[in-house]
Amino acid sequence: NAGVMQNPRHLVRRRGQEARLRCSPMKGHSHVYWYRQLPEEGLKFMVYLQKENIIDESGMPKERFSAEFPKEGPSILRIQQVVRGDSAAYFCASSPETGTPYFGPGTRLTVT
Amino acid sequence: AQSVTQPDIHITVSEGASLELRCNYSYGATPYLFWYVQSPGQGLQLLLKYFSGDTLVQGIKGFEAEFKRSQSSFNLRKPSVHWSDAAEYFCAVGVITGGGNKLTFGTGTQLKVEL
Repeated sequence: NAGVMQNPRHLVRRRGQEARLRCSPMKGHSHVYWYRQLPEEGLKFMVYLQKENIIDESGMPKERFSAEFPKEGPSILRIQQVVRGDSAAYFCASSPETGTPYFGPGTRLTVT
Repeated sequence: AQSVTQPDIHITVSEGASLELRCNYSYGATPYLFWYVQSPGQGLQLLLKYFSGDTLVQGIKGFEAEFKRSQSSFNLRKPSVHWSDAAEYFCAVGVITGGGNKLTFGTGTQLKVEL
């Protein structure tokens, strides 16, 4: 049983470009979560999704950030017009109903 | 709102010595509690979890943790540390919302192991 998959593992974008981060949950997991880890900081919740629905986006910045989890395919975290402050590690986790979240290896985003 | 405090930012222990990493949480109901470990440049690996039942839980790599409701604590322990245990350790409290398990993390404890 493969774990949570994230790609790309590393992503470099120039200021103003768009970043798309992908997450494929573990088999049988219907819940996906995105967390951000800034340098020298802990992990902060961003958004929680089920298939085709955003359940909780209380941690998402109001502008430039969006997330989706379509009926088919991976969950995508999209950052438009990236700025240097978006440089961070972005982790995806998945869980079954009320179960334990398991994390992917993360995507390290660098904005130049 | 729930919160997690890990009071020790850095801890250094000698290989073979015992280890205790502290975690205090704030949450109004019975919490779901987790410990994860992160090696440099890697993702988070689940060490152990507490949902209910026996308050002493066993995890992987020889780790254990004890849930103490009266102290709002969930401290992580290991009787004999190995050099490969050097990593960052995160305590988290989970809240069931919409069927999922939303985690709030502490700021982490960086463990250094001296040979």
